[in-house]
Amino acid sequence: QVQLQVSGPGLVKPSETLSLTCTVSGYSIRNGYYWGWIRQPPGKGLEWIGTVYHSGSTFYNPSLKSRVTISVDTSKNQFSLKLTSVAAADTAVYYCARDGSGSASGWFDPWGQGALVTVSS
Amino acid sequence: EIVLTQSPATLSLSPGERATLSCRASQSVSSYLAWYQQKPGQAPRLLIYDASNRATGIPPRFSGSGSGTDFTLTISSLEPEDFAVYYCQQRGSWPLTFGGGTKVEIK
Repeated sequence: QVQLQVSGPGLVKPSETLSLTCTVSGYSIRNGYYWGWIRQPPGKGLEWIGTVYHSGSTFYNPSLKSRVTISVDTSKNQFSLKLTSVAAADTAVYYCARDGSGSASGWFDPWGQGALVTVSS
Repeated sequence: EIVLTQSPATLSLSPGERATLSCRASQSVSSYLAWYQQKPGQAPRLLIYDASNRATGIPPRFSGSGSGTDFTLTISSLEPEDFAVYYCQQRGSWPLTFGGGTKVEIK
């Protein structure tokens, strides 16, 4: 059974970099599938951030592309998110998930539990 | 960017009733539409993918239909655990986008 767990700081100062890691268990990232990050501001809807393959190929939401880097570490079975120059609008629950379609543009299943990241000084 | 509009925003129903949720895309996404259920404090759970395919473990009371720009999620008879927020998501075009959600609440 595939499980995903998000970890990282819950508080980030404005203009700094948000860094989160998603650890995958029950499946080896190098065996395939794409892996994604999605966020949800408090009380609001979902926004796709980006997706990565075990080879390192990435796909980003154009609205965030200039500030986002998603990378993968197959040796640790993890993938990571970095979002630079954060502002209050980046406060959200950040989820990691597997792209269940086997392509980079699919549906997400399963999801990690999510981590609330607050941007505040 | 494809905009997904979900309606109604809130649906007030009683257990045992039928729920019909709508998702309309600003342009065709073929049948590349998924539905998720989200309960408070939990991550979304995939219900339906590619318009009409139930995800693993999803009970048959959940069904999806539609293609092009108009999609429907139907819950044939609401169980107490079905009261939640439902989101649609398209994968027909980059970037992947989600609808604003429909809250199904107990009447």
